[in-house]
Amino acid sequence: EDQVTQSPEALRLQEGESSSLNCSYTVSGLRGLFWYRQDPGKGPEFLFTLYSAGEEKEKERLKATLTKKESFLHITAPKPEDSATYLCAVQALRDQGGKLIFGQGTELSVKP
Amino acid sequence: DVKVTQSSRYLVKRTGEKVFLECVQDMDHENMFWYRQDPGLGLRLIYFSYDVKMKEKGDIPEGYSVSREKKERFSLILESASTNQTSMYLCASSILAGGRKETQYFGPGTRLLVL
Repeated sequence: EDQVTQSPEALRLQEGESSSLNCSYTVSGLRGLFWYRQDPGKGPEFLFTLYSAGEEKEKERLKATLTKKESFLHITAPKPEDSATYLCAVQALRDQGGKLIFGQGTELSVKP
Repeated sequence: DVKVTQSSRYLVKRTGEKVFLECVQDMDHENMFWYRQDPGLGLRLIYFSYDVKMKEKGDIPEGYSVSREKKERFSLILESASTNQTSMYLCASSILAGGRKETQYFGPGTRLLVL
């Protein structure tokens, strides 16, 4: 069964304290892995898509990496405005309809 | 920029009412999706559509139906609302596959309370 597990469930950081969020997945053929940011009461906002192991993408203080079993979202010198829930999702090769399988998310809190 | 809009941000309905949630996207995307999001359960797919008048059941379709009469519009219908359908409802759209890697873009969500 295809599955996505994110850890930790919640993470509290001080401003400037770098860390990483983990997304472990099992899927029968990966079509793509997606990272989203979600602020309270709002819809998820797209951050990155990763397609193959070894791929990396960066946006401001965020960097996403991908291996054959997991993805990491590295946050360098975070600021309070980075506080949000970060969602990971995978899409299987066999799924032509674009269906995503989501993890539970990691709730990040950055204190000044 | 991709824009996905949902007809209401907040809705309060009574048990047994028929509820319509509307979603519109402006990027000519073929695929459209309806999710619900609940604490501890994450995002769960209700229905999706890959073309006009086409629909596919997701993981939790019971108690819901959908309509896609135009490419840009995808409606979720709660035939007879129940309290266990109180949730955040999220609509998303993406471009068709065929060798291209789709990204789903989400709307702002509708928070539905069923009393």
